[in-house]
Amino acid sequence: AQSVTQPDIHITVSEGASLELRCNYSYGATPYLFWYVQSPGQGLQLLLKYFSGDTLVQGIKGFEAEFKRSQSSFNLRKPSVHWSDAAEYFCAVGAWGNEKLTFGTGTRLTIIP
Amino acid sequence: DTGVSQNPRHKITKRGQNVTFRCDPISEHNRLYWYRQTLGQGPEFLTYFQNEAQLEKSRLLSDRFSAERPKGSFSTLEIQRTEQGDSAMYLCASSLLSFADQETQYFGPGTRLLVL
Repeated sequence: AQSVTQPDIHITVSEGASLELRCNYSYGATPYLFWYVQSPGQGLQLLLKYFSGDTLVQGIKGFEAEFKRSQSSFNLRKPSVHWSDAAEYFCAVGAWGNEKLTFGTGTRLTIIP
Repeated sequence: DTGVSQNPRHKITKRGQNVTFRCDPISEHNRLYWYRQTLGQGPEFLTYFQNEAQLEKSRLLSDRFSAERPKGSFSTLEIQRTEQGDSAMYLCASSLLSFADQETQYFGPGTRLLVL
């Protein structure tokens, strides 16, 4: 069975500082990996995705993520956060032929001035 | 492309009542998913459709939950005899399954249910 672990429940960073959100997955086959962001009371917006190829993927809003198969990780990064980045971030895993996405429990990001 | 829409956005009901939620997917998408999200958790898969066929429903939480997608367009999720434990955000997502591209799910804004 596939699973996703986001070890950080809550992270606080200063505006302008760099950010890294951790995601570890467990899946027997080649995974498809996603990062979604959720603002309070809202649905999920896709930030970026990895299916194959280049292990460093670029997404919207200046985010990027790196797939490391040896570490079963897909960490999300941003070089300089903005106050508008405050939200809940979810990592998810899926696969071809396995239609449902399995999500982590999320990381809540707080930005301080 | 107006994205995935869900109605209502909020629903308050009394225990024992039936509720129905609607999801309108992105127009050309052939797959539609339902997820449930409880407070402090990530979304949890419930069921999905490919066109009008419901291909996976074993994750529906009980026989009080049912979903339909009668013409392969919009979908409804019904909860009968609601219980307080049904209080959650119900999310709908849609995707286009094709052999030319990998599948990506796009989510709607969700319906937040509160059962009193």
